[in-house]
Amino acid sequence: EPEVTQTPSHQVTQMGQEVILRCVPISNHLYFYWYRQILGQKVEFLVSFYNNEISEKSEIFDDQFSVERPDGSNFTLKIRSTKLEDSAMYFCASGISGYEQYFGPGTRLTVT
Amino acid sequence: SQQGEEDPQALSIQEGENATMNCSYKTSINNLQWYRQNSGRGLVHLILIRSNEREKHSGRLRVTLDTSKKSSSLLITASRAADTASYFCATDGNTGGFKTIFGAGTRLFVKA
Repeated sequence: EPEVTQTPSHQVTQMGQEVILRCVPISNHLYFYWYRQILGQKVEFLVSFYNNEISEKSEIFDDQFSVERPDGSNFTLKIRSTKLEDSAMYFCASGISGYEQYFGPGTRLTVT
Repeated sequence: SQQGEEDPQALSIQEGENATMNCSYKTSINNLQWYRQNSGRGLVHLILIRSNEREKHSGRLRVTLDTSKKSSSLLITASRAADTASYFCATDGNTGGFKTIFGAGTRLFVKA
């Protein structure tokens, strides 16, 4: 069964460094999403992406964040200058419609 | 801002019992979804109910939606130890974009 994959599973970075989190959505899906979950807290929406552009973004998704679908298969989230509070699990999701979403296993980002 | 809020926050039951979790939200929606998350892992989509539906079934899951009260419930019948997980409701933003807002979740523990 096709699934969303994410790499790396765990990323450790120093404050101020740039990180790129990678996702490979399910191949025929058209809608792509990033979420984050700080330990013990709820899942927070970051951004949705459709038709090669951002469809909607949350207040969390400020200028430090960007997304890209560089080659038609990968979907990346870049954080330009990481802060301690960016430490969280980051989940990618994709969907064939704008409703039901299939989630990846997540990347644990630790900023030291 | 729109938000799904589940109650109870935590629920502990014996195997074979039914588990009921509730969700309330604040603004109008197009659909409401329920997801499951095993500890530290990605979310698994369980069921989607549209705003014009009142009840939906999937296996041992039964979801109701009351748009007049802005609330939904998830019933798991004949629970199993494997149902132990966190359960989240998620609503769309009804904004024309694709934004999913998750509640804080109910942690369900099913004792064997």
